[in-house]
Amino acid sequence: KQEVTQIPAALSVPEGENLVLNCSFTDSAIYNLQWFRQDPGKGLTSLLLIQSSQREQTSGRLNASLDKSSGRSTLYIAASQPGDSATYLCAVSGYSTLTFGKGTMLLVSP
Amino acid sequence: GAVVSQHPSRVICKSGTSVKIECRSLDFQATTMFWYRQFPKQSLMLMATSNEGSKATYEQGVEKDKFLINHASLTLSTLTVTSAHPEDSSFYICSAKSTGRRARTDTQYFGPGTRLTVL
Repeated sequence: KQEVTQIPAALSVPEGENLVLNCSFTDSAIYNLQWFRQDPGKGLTSLLLIQSSQREQTSGRLNASLDKSSGRSTLYIAASQPGDSATYLCAVSGYSTLTFGKGTMLLVSP
Repeated sequence: GAVVSQHPSRVICKSGTSVKIECRSLDFQATTMFWYRQFPKQSLMLMATSNEGSKATYEQGVEKDKFLINHASLTLSTLTVTSAHPEDSSFYICSAKSTGRRARTDTQYFGPGTRLTVL
């Protein structure tokens, strides 16, 4: 059974810092990995999707990497802003389902 | 494109009543729809997978008689929480996978979620 772990559970940084969120998964037989953002009480916003054959994806200030063999992914956020404050979820896609981590709650202070 | 809506966004009901939540893919046809539940500070947990025109497949531990899922068309799935109790209070999120004509087939598109509170 796939298990997804996200570290740290919570992170507080001052505005402008670069930061890294970590995601690890136990079964490397995946189709893709997604990073989502969730604002309090809201649904999910997909940030980046990395196919199993890819190593990384970039969108604006976000860069996600994938090392399938070691079961790890990182989400790098450059020059963080208060508007980046949210919970970031990592999800791994197997044959037909997604398995989510518990998320990292990020707070960026002005 | 690839928008999924849920209705209602919030619902408060009395214990013992039934609540229906709708999930719609607005601009694409969905072969498969998924229902998730999220408790505070916990990850999303898959409840069931439904394919249009067939019975839903429930995850272990999810009572199919309590959480009725109907996937009547390629754009609509409903989740009915029957005889709701306070422990059913949670955030319910649906997602949909495209047939491929107007959205990627390898991606689940998520609805905004429904907050259910059972008094």
